[in-house]
Amino acid sequence: DAKTTQPTSMDCAEGRAANLPCNHSTISGNEYVYWYRQIHSQGPQYIIHGLKNNETNEMASLIITEDRKSSTLILPHATLRDTAVYYCIARQSSGTYKYIFGTGTRLKVLA
Amino acid sequence: DTAVSQTPKYLVTQMGNDKSIKCEQNLGHDTMYWYKQDSKKFLKIMFSYNNKELIINETVPNRFSPKSPDKAHLNLHINSLELGDSAVYFCASSPEGLADNEQFFGPGTRLTVL
Repeated sequence: DAKTTQPTSMDCAEGRAANLPCNHSTISGNEYVYWYRQIHSQGPQYIIHGLKNNETNEMASLIITEDRKSSTLILPHATLRDTAVYYCIARQSSGTYKYIFGTGTRLKVLA
Repeated sequence: DTAVSQTPKYLVTQMGNDKSIKCEQNLGHDTMYWYKQDSKKFLKIMFSYNNKELIINETVPNRFSPKSPDKAHLNLHINSLELGDSAVYFCASSPEGLADNEQFFGPGTRLTVL
């Protein structure tokens, strides 16, 4: 599975968009990009995933570059409850489906 | 309704003891996992079972033995507990057969070994 690189921490003002980058330059063609978050030592929570195309759901948008070497998770209107550690994971589409979590980005949403 | 539940939530025990953590999912998923999150917050997979069959074993010491009595349950038994086993253990589940499925995590069990 591809290694991902994320900034250690970020701040975002409440109500503004939070843009969390992820670098996965060694990603292979059959690896999906997943985003999870972990709020204060709770279990990780799924946010969104994609392969090539940009994706949007009720929580966030995922923008994947055309070469697939990087992606950005966008929380369109961050709230205080979005303060969490956000993990970007590249996972194969076949095999054992295991996740390899990195260190993630600690997002702090400021009032 | 709790999708993935774990018991106990907290577990404090002495070195050398044997303990178990239980996990149950009511999502009808075929695959279940155990993860360990250490004090530095690294989250690492330990085991995965699919339909009661072990499919992932990430070089975990053999003091750790997962048991899956049925596909809704995956318990983790730990023998001869050591200080380094102190961590938060998360159970997760996912449906089988879909490459792009998500995992649902339980609330975690915080194990402290004294």
